[in-house]
Amino acid sequence: DQQVKQNSPSLSVQEGRISILNCDYTNSMFDYFLWYKKYPAEGPTFLISISSIKDKNEDGRFTVFLNKSAKHLSLHIVPSQPGDSAVYFCAASVLTDDKIIFGKGTRLHILP
Amino acid sequence: NAGVTQTPKFRILKIGQSMTLQCAQDMNHNYMYWYRQDPGMGLKLIYYSVGAGITDKGEVPNGYNVSRSTTEDFPLRLELAAPSQTSVYFCASSTQGGNNSPLHFGNGTRLTVT
Repeated sequence: DQQVKQNSPSLSVQEGRISILNCDYTNSMFDYFLWYKKYPAEGPTFLISISSIKDKNEDGRFTVFLNKSAKHLSLHIVPSQPGDSAVYFCAASVLTDDKIIFGKGTRLHILP
Repeated sequence: NAGVTQTPKFRILKIGQSMTLQCAQDMNHNYMYWYRQDPGMGLKLIYYSVGAGITDKGEVPNGYNVSRSTTEDFPLRLELAAPSQTSVYFCASSTQGGNNSPLHFGNGTRLTVT
């Protein structure tokens, strides 16, 4: 049973426009959410996170929004740049548990 | 600054062979994790460790074993390789575990079992 779902396998966005990547979760115990970015032949790298006590966290061009009632979070990238082309993983964890559960990932293509 | 180092980068195994995937970190992190990534399937947690001498199962532990004798090293052992274990394996570490402590990943080991 998938606890973290990324239902869009891929997304194409024009350079300079906004990229929105979505993530849904089923476990209401999750209280910390993270986004990772992965380039081919490399390990994932941490991008941005949000605690369940917040509904928004911003870091430069990246903003994560959390809607707890809908069990949904999204990552906004503005403006999108060519170097943003990568696979993005949504992940979640519970305070009392050390496991971090990942979604299947969304491949983002930034078009020139 | 090496971070998390995984060896080997690539390996081909025959069915039934065994091998150990090595993982070492130089950041003095207590928490270490092993994930596998299958095409289109995201990252699945195999085993994790919250400190030397302590290990626990993740989502997909069958067919694997781990040990954690030192803070730095967290090897993953495959005893009887099967084609279903063909995957890319990632090791990761963090300071505190899942909450408020992002994972630092190695660059992966690509394993093919034929």
